[in-house]
Order: sequence, then structure tokens, then C-alpha cells
Amino acid sequence: NAGVTQTPKFQVLKTGQSMTLQCAQDMNHEYMSWYRQDPGMGLRLIHYSVGAGITDQGEVPNGYNVSRSTTEDFPLRLLSAAPSQTSVYFCASSKGRIRNTIYFGEGSWLTVV
Amino acid sequence: QQQVKQSPQSLIVQKGGIPIINCAYENTAFDYFPWYQQFPGKGPALLIAIRPDVSEKKEGRFTISFNKSAKQFSLHIMDSQPGDSATYFCAAGNAGGTSYGKLTFGQGTILTVHP
Repeated sequence: NAGVTQTPKFQVLKTGQSMTLQCAQDMNHEYMSWYRQDPGMGLRLIHYSVGAGITDQGEVPNGYNVSRSTTEDFPLRLLSAAPSQTSVYFCASSKGRIRNTIYFGEGSWLTVV
Repeated sequence: QQQVKQSPQSLIVQKGGIPIINCAYENTAFDYFPWYQQFPGKGPALLIAIRPDVSEKKEGRFTISFNKSAKQFSLHIMDSQPGDSATYFCAAGNAGGTSYGKLTFGQGTILTVHP
């Protein structure tokens, strides 16, 4: 029972490089989302998806892209990394309705130099 | 625009003390208020949640108090233990429409419980 799995755990990028943070869940959850966590800012929603083929923007979507081709996977792409994207990224999933528990992955630490 | 404001940023108590973390929200459409606990190097995990039709909810040593008119809610940890040392986040969401799983989080409170 893996839950929400994120890879990689740690990554260092150079400014301008692109990369993809992977997220997979094995709970057959409809809803998946990406948050970033910065000191003093809490967790801020980047993008979310309510099902395969459906995505929408959250609070801080600029510089990120997502797709949802399957129920299980929800990758987050950094198109051209910037130092402002240095953060800890969390993928989350839930069964659907907001009052269902949202499960978070263990995070991906990204540093952009 | 920060729609959920959390205080204090950090809190230190002795074992057995009762730390209290406060949150205030602005959006009156919010109707779900969870608290998450996060240990270093881990993702947040749901601790306890409340809906606005009740003023208090208890689960073990954790209690949420909710004041709808003031748009405030708080987390109380009774008989706190060193193992409760973690970062706590309040959050708020709207269960209606397409707001599946969308939560707005507070800034977080780092709690340290000394033995």
C-alpha cells in the first residue's frame, strides 16, 4: 500500500533547465493536486485535477505545467526553472469531495541555482 | 491574497502544557476546516477537521474550537507531549461546485514541546 509516491526526493537544477516531478497514487483517487511549501507561506496550490483529462490552475500556476492522462499519475513540469521555484513540492490526492481525507506524498525538495 | 491567517508562527511549551494555535479566514463560502500535522521530512497528514455547523470537535487530545461569527477557529492540544513537536497547518475549503479537494492553507506553526 504505497499511497502517494513522489520522485525524485531531491533535485538540483540550473536556471533555465526543465524537469518533471513525478506523482503516482494507488488508491484510485479522482482528485490530485500539487502544492509548493515555502517558509512562512504555508502550502500553496499550483495545479489540480478532478479526473483523467481534466486539469485546472491553482493559486500559483505560472512556470508549471501538468497533465492527467491516467487516474494514477499526475506529473508536474517545470518549463524553464527559475530560482524563485526553489521550494518543497507536495503531491496530494483524495477520493473526490473535499471532506474526504487528502493524502500527501513525502515531498520533493527542488533547488534552482 | 492570504485568505487564511495563522498564528503564532512558532510556539514552545513544556510537556503537559496546552498549546493553542489560531486561524482566521475571510471567505464566508468556506465550509470545511481541517488541521494538518507535519513532521520534518514528511508530507502533511490530516489531524482533525470540523464543519461550521458545530462549535467544537474533540479527537483524543486534540480539540478544534470554531467561531463562525468571528470567522476564526483554533486547535488546542491537551497534555502536550514531546512527540507532538511538529508543524501544524490550518486550512479551509469549500465543498461546493468544482472545489474538489482545494484547500487554502495557513502559514503554519512550528510547535516545540520540551520534556
